[in-house]
Amino acid sequence: DAGVTQSPTHLIKTRGQQVTLRCSPKSGHDTVSWYQQALGQGPQFIFQYYEEEERQRGNFPDRFSGHQFPNYSSELNVNALLLGDSALYLCASRDGDWGGRDEQFFGPGTRLTVL
Amino acid sequence: AQSVAQPEDQVNVAEGNPLTVKCTYSVSGNPYLFWYVQYPNRGLQFLLKYITGDNLVKGSYGFEAEFNKSQTSFHLKKPSALVSDSALYFCAVRNDMRFGAGTRLTVKP
Repeated sequence: DAGVTQSPTHLIKTRGQQVTLRCSPKSGHDTVSWYQQALGQGPQFIFQYYEEEERQRGNFPDRFSGHQFPNYSSELNVNALLLGDSALYLCASRDGDWGGRDEQFFGPGTRLTVL
Repeated sequence: AQSVAQPEDQVNVAEGNPLTVKCTYSVSGNPYLFWYVQYPNRGLQFLLKYITGDNLVKGSYGFEAEFNKSQTSFHLKKPSALVSDSALYFCAVRNDMRFGAGTRLTVKP
């Protein structure tokens, strides 16, 4: 089992561009969440996908959007990039638990740098 | 609103000494609480969680945490620290996993 995988590992973009990050969940998991981790800070919840729908969303603007595919993999899209979007983007998966009792499994992250 | 706070940015201990990393929480309903560790250039790894039951929870790598409802705390502990325990530690709460700001633990030989 490869665990949660993310691509690419690193990415450099310029302001105003758009970016797509990809995530494959751990085998058997159907729920995917995305987090933004700025340097020196804790992860901030962006949104969560289950059954190809956005189920929960954190305090992020509409420039951040996502998608989940039938095989449970997911994409995070960010439009009109700002310098402040530079961060490590983490994907996490779990087996759809809505009680909040189960731990998540995290991928290694995608380091996005916006110049 | 659910939230956790980690009052210490940095904790330094000597190898072999006990360590404590502090976390306090503010939640409505059941306080499902978690600890994760992050090594450099890596994603987060689950250490342990409190859902219900015994207030002392045992987890991976010899770590344990004590849930204290009256003090709304969930401190991470280890009886004898190792240099390899040096990392970033995050406390988190409930389903959408609201994380604390993190505590950098440094264990010196």
